[in-house]
Amino acid sequence: QVQLQESGPGLVKPSETLSLTCTVSGGSISSYYWSWIRQPPGKGLEWIAYIYYSGSSSSNPSLRSRVTISVDTSENQVSLNLTSVTAADTAVYYCARPRRDGYTHDAFDIWGQGTMVTVSS
Amino acid sequence: DIQMTQSPSSLSASVGDRVTITCRASQSISTYLHWYQQKPGKAPKLLIYAASSLQSGVPSRFSGSGSGTDFTLTISSLQPEDFATYYCQQSYTTPFTFGPGTEVDIK
Repeated sequence: QVQLQESGPGLVKPSETLSLTCTVSGGSISSYYWSWIRQPPGKGLEWIAYIYYSGSSSSNPSLRSRVTISVDTSENQVSLNLTSVTAADTAVYYCARPRRDGYTHDAFDIWGQGTMVTVSS
Repeated sequence: DIQMTQSPSSLSASVGDRVTITCRASQSISTYLHWYQQKPGKAPKLLIYAASSLQSGVPSRFSGSGSGTDFTLTISSLQPEDFATYYCQQSYTTPFTFGPGTEVDIK
């Protein structure tokens, strides 16, 4: 079955750029919208952005000026860049896939295990 | 943004209890409402989608109802493995938003 694996540095310095990759295995990246969602320690979930395999995307206005999301269909990967990070960006970052292909406005039925990113000098 | 609220924020219950969690949206979201269960250190797990549809593999003791702005998640008979935090989420419009969560612990 489809599995998602997030990867990236666990520690990022303030003001630098956080870069994460989600690798999709067991299935194709095509035809789905892929989202990034984060969860600060002890807090709730925040949707960051999604991207379609074709490259069209949408992001949370609260983060839009700092977020870049991209897709590499040849590598079956989705990437997230978050610039000018602060301690408030410390969180577990998840990638997630909706239930149905071609649908953006759907529940997330497949999640990666998440990767913890700490912003600290 | 559509604001999601949940009540209660936490509850204590015993095995076998019937548990109901409420989720409210700040504006109508039709049935674009989903429920997740999260255990410590784990990713959220989809339980209910489209307000009342049971995700494949999820026990039938979980059920959801509602439309518009008011929704409920019910666990008909709480089991030991159900102690967790539950989140609602709207996918009616971006930015997708989640409720603050309801922690269910052992009484």
